[in-house]
Amino acid sequence: DAKTTQPNSMESNEEEPVHLPCNHSTISGTDYIHWYRQLPSQGPEYVIHGLTSNVNNRMASLAIAEDRKSSTLILHRATLRDAAVYYCILRDLVQGAQKLVFGQGTRLTINP
Amino acid sequence: DVKVTQSSRYLVKRTGEKVFLECVQDMDHENMFWYRQDPGLGLRLIYFSYDVKMKEKGDIPEGYSVSREKKERFSLILESASTNQTSMYLCASSLGVKETQYFGPGTRLLVL
Repeated sequence: DAKTTQPNSMESNEEEPVHLPCNHSTISGTDYIHWYRQLPSQGPEYVIHGLTSNVNNRMASLAIAEDRKSSTLILHRATLRDAAVYYCILRDLVQGAQKLVFGQGTRLTINP
Repeated sequence: DVKVTQSSRYLVKRTGEKVFLECVQDMDHENMFWYRQDPGLGLRLIYFSYDVKMKEKGDIPEGYSVSREKKERFSLILESASTNQTSMYLCASSLGVKETQYFGPGTRLLVL
């Protein structure tokens, strides 16, 4: 499985934008970039995914580098409820990857 | 919204007991998954099912079995609980094997 690298932790302030980076230099052409987050004592929650183009949904935006070797999850206006561990993972949906493989993720702290 | 529920949030069992963890989803999803999550080891797939009465082993099936008698329900069974099965157990479901996986809140199991 292609690997991803994320900072262990990040901190931001409430109502400010947050940019969470992810490096995936060994990404293959059929790997989709997925983001999940896990709030304390909760199961993981799907956030967003993309292949090549930038993506937006009600939770966040995903900016993908042109060479696809990195991506950034953008929370436009962080709230205290966004404090969680954020996981960037690659899924080869062409080959039919059944399982999700989570790394260590980035622990995001939001200051009031 | 997809809803995945798990029968217990917290469970304490004794070594050698038979343990049943139940998962129910309400979105008519074909695929259901059982993972365990441990600090430093991330998420590991135990079993998954792509249809009623069908099951496939994941990466760590030893010591576990599963049952899927109805589409909406997927049970994880620990035949004889051991202390190394103390963990957070997460159930997930998806419409197709390549689709987004939606997680339940998790069951934190302690085996004494």
